Amino acid sequence: DGGITQSPKYLFRKEGQNVTLSCEQNLNHDAMYWYRQDPGQGLRLIYYSQIVNDFQKGDIAEGYSVSREKKESFPLTVTSAQKNPTAFYLCASSLTGPLYNEQFFGPGTRLTVL
Amino acid sequence: AQKITQTQPGMFVQEKEAVTLDCTYDTSDPSYGLFWYKQPSSGEMIFLIYQGSYDQQNATEGRYSLNFQKARKSANLVISASQLGDSAMYFCAMREDYGNNRLAFGKGNQVVVIP
Repeated sequence: DGGITQSPKYLFRKEGQNVTLSCEQNLNHDAMYWYRQDPGQGLRLIYYSQIVNDFQKGDIAEGYSVSREKKESFPLTVTSAQKNPTAFYLCASSLTGPLYNEQFFGPGTRLTVL
Repeated sequence: AQKITQTQPGMFVQEKEAVTLDCTYDTSDPSYGLFWYKQPSSGEMIFLIYQGSYDQQNATEGRYSLNFQKARKSANLVISASQLGDSAMYFCAMREDYGNNRLAFGKGNQVVVIP
């Protein structure tokens, strides 16, 4: 089945630790995205990538880092510099080009900092 | 400035009734697309419907339709014949032609369908 997988579903980390969230897609999409969602809020863009080996900062990139070494994979590292990392993280992918190409989302990772 | 505004409080809807969710947007780009997504309590985001800024007709997808009023910059989602499974958060989002495929999301509308 084609789709986007994120792992793990739940993640706990201690303050001061870096943690990496996985995102894999087999939809052959060029573009991939990372969003953060806080309770009662919409999605805010952290980083996005339109092609392998290239990525851009979104609206809230501070304290996060990404890599895009393969088309299928777009891991997100939450660093100790992120002041309030507890949130729900969603990864998405899409075709590039026409406006009507919707983004497909993974199931999300819920990160809790203890 | 906020690009997508969804300000309705949480809504309770009787099963089988229709519900309208408001969305207004702000852009100076003449070419843009508007999307609605559904997020059930499980957290996944499910694409529902798309409307292009140049589309002459309002988009429809099954029980979902989009009331697009371009001059008012409004893109309201209408869900007809509500079902219990429609209980979820609903998000409006916009993609601008010059936006590098980025989506800007609103804060969402909570819908609870009651039997």
